[in-house]
Amino acid sequence: QKEVEQDPGPLSVPEGAIVSLNCTYSNSAFQYFMWYRQYSRKGPELLMYTYSSGNKEDGRFTAQVDKSSKYISLFIRDSQPSDSATYLCAMSDDTGFQKLVFGTGTRLLVSP
Amino acid sequence: DTGVSQDPRHKITKRGQNVTFRCDPISEHNRLYWYRQTLGQGPEFLTYFQNEAQLEKSRLLSDRFSAERPKGSFSTLEIQRTEQGDSAMYLCASSPRGGGTGGNEQFFGPGTRLTVL
Repeated sequence: QKEVEQDPGPLSVPEGAIVSLNCTYSNSAFQYFMWYRQYSRKGPELLMYTYSSGNKEDGRFTAQVDKSSKYISLFIRDSQPSDSATYLCAMSDDTGFQKLVFGTGTRLLVSP
Repeated sequence: DTGVSQDPRHKITKRGQNVTFRCDPISEHNRLYWYRQTLGQGPEFLTYFQNEAQLEKSRLLSDRFSAERPKGSFSTLEIQRTEQGDSAMYLCASSPRGGGTGGNEQFFGPGTRLTVL
C-alpha cells in the first residue's frame, strides 16, 4: 500500500464548476502538505502549502487538511480551461531533510 | 528569471552511454533535491543536499547514479551505463530551509526528460 493515495482520474468538469481533489495518507508523522499543478511535460508548480491541520485560501484555491482522518483536499472555484492539468498532492514529516512523498496525481480536464 | 533551472531539457541517448544533468537552484536556497518521475506517477525522491553535503540517498539511486553539489551552488546528476529503465523525467527542487512552520516549500525546475533507446 502506498503512503499517499490519490485517484488518477481523469476528472472532467465544465467551466465554472467547483472542483474537489483529494488525497489520503497513512503516515501520521506527515506535518507539511502541499498541492502542485503540473502541465504536460513541465515541472510541478507549487500551488498551496499548509502546515499541520486547517484551511488555507488563496484566490480561487482552498486547501484543507484533516489530520485526524489523514485526508487532504484542494478546492478550485470557478474552474477555467487553463486549470486543466495534473494536480499532485505532496507531504513530508517534520524531521531530517523532509523529502516529499507524492500522490500519483489527478488529471483534471475543464471544458469550455 | 530567479526560478530553478535545469539543463538539458531533453536528452536522448543509447543504452550503455553516460549522461549528466545540471540543476541551478534558486539563489540562497541551501537545500537541493533530485526526484524522478515516470509516466502516470508522482515524483519519487532520489537524493538530497544541504549546501555541498549529500545527506540522503534513496534506494532508487543505484551505484550507476552519482550526484554532486560542489561549493553548495549548482548540482549535477550523472547516470553511467544507462538502461532503458532509466527513461524518465528527472526533476530538481530547491528549498530555503526546513522545519518549523515555514520554509519547507520545495520549488521545482522544468525537469530533464531522458529517453534511453
